[in-house]
Amino acid sequence: AQSVTQLDSHVSVSEGTPVLLRCNYSSSYSPSLFWYVQHPNKGLQLLLKYTSAATLVKGINGFEAEFKKSETSFHLTKPSAHMSDAAEYFCVVSDRRRSYIPTFGRGTSLIVHP
Amino acid sequence: DGGITQSPKYLFRKEGQNVTLSCEQNLNHDAMYWYRQDPGQGLRLIYYSQIVNDFQKGDIAEGYSVSREKKESFPLTVTSAQKNPTAFYLCASSIFSGGDSYNEQFFGPGTRLTVL
Repeated sequence: AQSVTQLDSHVSVSEGTPVLLRCNYSSSYSPSLFWYVQHPNKGLQLLLKYTSAATLVKGINGFEAEFKKSETSFHLTKPSAHMSDAAEYFCVVSDRRRSYIPTFGRGTSLIVHP
Repeated sequence: DGGITQSPKYLFRKEGQNVTLSCEQNLNHDAMYWYRQDPGQGLRLIYYSQIVNDFQKGDIAEGYSVSREKKESFPLTVTSAQKNPTAFYLCASSIFSGGDSYNEQFFGPGTRLTVL
């Protein structure tokens, strides 16, 4: 069965420093992987998606993620954090075993200090 | 503007009462979803519908019911059988490709339900 583990419930960085949010997945099939962002009391917005094309995926707001099959990872990175990046981030996996109904990770809260 | 609307944003109900949450989309999407969000739990799927007049249970359907009489609308009823209904509820929609691929989900702003 597909599953996704976000390795950190909270990540704290200073403004201007790099961001790393970690995600490992489990899937018996070629998965599609996604990162969504949620600001407080709002809906989710797609940041980026991997669907078996290039393994390095670029998203909105300077975020990117690299699909590493050997490590079953899909970590989200950004070179320089901005105060507006403070939010909840969700890693999502989807594969054909579950008719592509997505499975969400538990989320990582990104805290950005001035 | 195309998008998904959920109403109301905040909802208070007494224990034992049924309550219906609204979700409307004008994106012409076939598929619609309801999720429940609790702190530290991520999003858990309650129900989903891939076509009008059809819907499927998700991972936590007990105590909830839905209908899909129109493509644009997918209301969720939280019944008195739901033991812990206080949560943030999110509705989403997507293009449906016949179950052979994933398509990006678009989310509404959510409804925060508090049962007193």
